[in-house]
Amino acid sequence: GQNIDQPTEMTATEGAIVQINCTYQTSGFNGLFWYQQHAGEAPTFLSYNVLDGLEEKGRFSSFLSRSKGYSYLLLKELQMKDSASYLCAVMDSNYQLIWGAGTKLIIKP
Amino acid sequence: IAGITQAPTSQILAAGRRMTLRCTQDMRHNAMYWYRQDLGLGLRLIHYSNTAGTTGKGEVPDGYSVSRANTDDFPLTLASAVPSQTSVYFCASSADSNTEAFFGQGTRLTVV
Repeated sequence: GQNIDQPTEMTATEGAIVQINCTYQTSGFNGLFWYQQHAGEAPTFLSYNVLDGLEEKGRFSSFLSRSKGYSYLLLKELQMKDSASYLCAVMDSNYQLIWGAGTKLIIKP
Repeated sequence: IAGITQAPTSQILAAGRRMTLRCTQDMRHNAMYWYRQDLGLGLRLIHYSNTAGTTGKGEVPDGYSVSRANTDDFPLTLASAVPSQTSVYFCASSADSNTEAFFGQGTRLTVV
C-alpha cells in the first residue's frame, strides 16, 4: 500500500529552527509537495521537490532524497504565525497526490 | 479576486437527504479535485477531473458523484447523506495534474 509518515505534533520556540520529517512509500514518484494549513483554513502551497537536494525559499527550505523515500521541511527564524499544520504529499505514478496526516507545529514564545 | 470558491461554508444535513456542494474556480485550471479531511487522517481524494468533460474516482468515491460540464465548475453531490460523511470538504484546482493545487476555503458538513 501507499503510505506517508510524518510526526503528529512538534513544539518549537520562537526564533529557533525546526525540521519536520516526512517518509513515504508510494507506487511511483512524480514529486513531493509541502503545504501549510492554519487551523480552520485551507491548505496553502509551500514547496515542491522532484529532484534530490535542497530547495530554499526565504525562511523555508525543503529537502528530498528519493533513494531514501525521505523529505524534510526546515523552518528558520520561527515566528508565532508559523503555528500551523504542515502537510506532506507525494504525487504517485498516476499523478494522484497521496497525503500524510500532517504535523501540527506549536510555537512557544 | 481570482481563486476558487466553495459553497456553502457549512451545513447541517439530515441523514438520507441529497446535497450538492458547489465549487467554482476562475483561474482556467484544467484539473479539479474534491477531498475530505477528517481528524487524524490525511486529505483523501473523493473524485477528480483532469479536464472539462472527464471525471475519475479517487480513494473514497462511494456515496459521492461529480460532474464537470465546463472548466470552471465542479459540483460534488451526496445522493443520500449518511453520518460517516460528516467531514470538512475541500475543493482544489491545479493548472495541470502535475502542478501545485490551490484550495477553496472548505465546507464543513455535519450529517445528523
